[in-house]
Amino acid sequence: AQKVTQAQTEISVVEKEDVTLDCVYETRDTTYYLFWYKQPPSGELVFLIRRNSFDEQNEISGRYSWNFQKSTSSFNFTITASQVVDSAVYFCALSELSTGTASKLTFGTGTRLQVTL
Amino acid sequence: ETGVTQSPTHLIKTRGQQVTLRCSSQSGHNTVSWYQQALGQGPQFIFQYYREEENGRGNFPPRFSGLQFPNYSSELNVNALELDDSALYLCASSLGQTPGYEQYFGPGTRLTVT
Repeated sequence: AQKVTQAQTEISVVEKEDVTLDCVYETRDTTYYLFWYKQPPSGELVFLIRRNSFDEQNEISGRYSWNFQKSTSSFNFTITASQVVDSAVYFCALSELSTGTASKLTFGTGTRLQVTL
Repeated sequence: ETGVTQSPTHLIKTRGQQVTLRCSSQSGHNTVSWYQQALGQGPQFIFQYYREEENGRGNFPPRFSGLQFPNYSSELNVNALELDDSALYLCASSLGQTPGYEQYFGPGTRLTVT
C-alpha cells in the first residue's frame, strides 16, 4: 500500500534562511508520480511540482528546488532565501499507476513552515 | 481561464442531517476528485468522477456519494452526518483521470457538524 511520510511537523526559520522539507514515500509500483502542494492559510492547495518515477533529475524553479532520490524513496523540497510569503503548510503526495483509472493522491500529513522577519 | 470554484464556503449542519457541496471544474478539465481534510491532517481521497461516472473511491462509507454533470461540474452529498464529518472538503479538477495528471484544487468548503 502507498504511504507518504513527512516527519517534520513544523519548521520555523528566519527570513533569508534556506530550508528543506523532507518527504519519504512507500510504493510497490514501478510507475508512480510525486507532487508537492502548498496550502496557505486561505486553505486552497496550490500545485508546485510533479515528477514521474522515471525522471530523477533535480529541478529548480526560482527559489524552489526538488531532490528526487529513488534509492532512498525521498522527494525533498528546498526553499532558498525564504520569505515571509513562503509561510504555509506544504504537502507531499503520491499517485500510483496501479490504482487503475483513478488519479488518487495519497498525501502526507504536511509540514507547517513559519518564516519570520 | 476560471479556476476551480466551490460553494458554499462555510456550512454548519446538525448531526443526522444531509448536505450537498458543489464544485465547478477548471475550464477544459473533465475529471473531478473530492478530498476530505480533517484539522491538522493531509487530504484524504473520497472519490473521483470522469465523464459523469465514478471511477475510483477511497475508504469512505456509502453515505458519501457524488454526481458529475455534463458540464463536468460536480456535487458531493453526505447523508446522516456525523460529528467526525466536520472537515474541509476540497474539490480538484484535472485534464484526465489517469494517475499523473496534475490536480488543481478549489478553496474548499468548511463543514461543521454539531
